[in-house]
Amino acid sequence: KQEVTQIPAALSVPEGENLVLNCSFTDSAIYNLQWFRQDPGKGLTSLLLIQSSQREQTSGRLNASLDKSSGRSTLYIAASQPGDSATYLCAPYSGTYKYIFGTGTRLKVLA
Amino acid sequence: GAVVSQHPSRVICKSGTSVKIECRSLDFQATTMFWYRQFPKQSLMLMATSNEGSKATYEQGVEKDKFLINHASLTLSTLTVTSAHPEDSSFYICSARPRTINEQFFGPGTRLTVL
Repeated sequence: KQEVTQIPAALSVPEGENLVLNCSFTDSAIYNLQWFRQDPGKGLTSLLLIQSSQREQTSGRLNASLDKSSGRSTLYIAASQPGDSATYLCAPYSGTYKYIFGTGTRLKVLA
Repeated sequence: GAVVSQHPSRVICKSGTSVKIECRSLDFQATTMFWYRQFPKQSLMLMATSNEGSKATYEQGVEKDKFLINHASLTLSTLTVTSAHPEDSSFYICSARPRTINEQFFGPGTRLTVL
């Protein structure tokens, strides 16, 4: 059974800092892994999707890496802004066609 | 891109009533749809997987008689919370998987409050 852990659970940083959010998962037999953002009371916004054959994906100030064999992914946020404040969820997608979500990292970027 | 809608976005009901939530894939056919629930400050928990034209597969601990799922077409799945109680109050999110790719697209969620 896939288990997903995200560290840290919460993070509060001043504006402009570069951040690293960590995700670890127990079952490496995945098709892909996706990072989402969720604002309070809202649905999910897809940020980056990394296929199992890829090592990293980039979108603007976001960079996600995947080390499938060790069951790890990181989301790097460059030059953080107050608008980045949200909960970030990682979700590996397995052969049973299920997304299993991590516990999330609650990020607060202070102006 | 692929768009999934949910209706209603927010519903308040009395205890003991039933509530239906719709999930639609607007621009693609979804062979499989998924239903998740999320309690405050917690992550999303998968409730059930539904395939078009067949019975839903429920995750362990989810009452199938309480959470009725119907996937009548390739673009519509419904979740009915029967005899709702205050502890059913939660945020319900659906997702849909297209026929040809290994990716899911998520709806905006439905906030259910049972009084």
